[in-house]
Amino acid sequence: QVQLVESGGGVVQPGRSLRLSCAASGFTFRTYAMHWVRQAPGKGLEWLAVIWFDGSKSYYADSVKGQFTISRDNLKNTLYLQMNSLRADDTAVYYCAREESGWLFDYWGQGTLVTVSS
Amino acid sequence: QTVVAQEPSLTVSPGGTVTLTCASTTGAVTSNHYPNWFQQKPGQAPTALIYRTTYKHSWTPARFSGSLLGDKAALTLSGAQPEDEAEYYCLLYFGGPGVFGGGTKLTVL
Repeated sequence: QVQLVESGGGVVQPGRSLRLSCAASGFTFRTYAMHWVRQAPGKGLEWLAVIWFDGSKSYYADSVKGQFTISRDNLKNTLYLQMNSLRADDTAVYYCAREESGWLFDYWGQGTLVTVSS
Repeated sequence: QTVVAQEPSLTVSPGGTVTLTCASTTGAVTSNHYPNWFQQKPGQAPTALIYRTTYKHSWTPARFSGSLLGDKAALTLSGAQPEDEAEYYCLLYFGGPGVFGGGTKLTVL
């Protein structure tokens, strides 16, 4: 069965960096685009970034462009989100989600909580 | 900055029908925005319901349907059940990036 498991969250000080991972299993990871989405406490969902199946293209929300970097390792079946210069308003649960071609979203991970606080 | 708007809250009676909508500040929502709809219950990850405007996943209850309604995407729930009480989000494609709507809190009462 399809599984997406995020990790790497935790408490981090403002201005520091953090890298999130999303381990994929149960499907052919290298054939799917992957997304990161976050949800601040008590708030709605915010789309962050997408990376194509082969890593050749990526797109970002304006709110994180230049601050976050999405990447993937198709040999390790793992998606990453490198987050730099973290601010208090980056505090959120971060989800990875799978996209079949044509903006078909199906499976989501359970999320990992990132708290930016001194 | 593109904004995708949804009704903040709606209430439906058990067994009743309700339509949630999803509008874009850039203009009419079309099939080229590939509207997706998600359900999220408290403390849980979102669950995909609808993709490409009208298509259901294998796990989507038959009482949910997606459509275009005028210049908006729409999610219709026919025969609401207590377990349908949740937050619902639409997601639109904008040629690369995506934008979520602000969500609709649906109460079944």
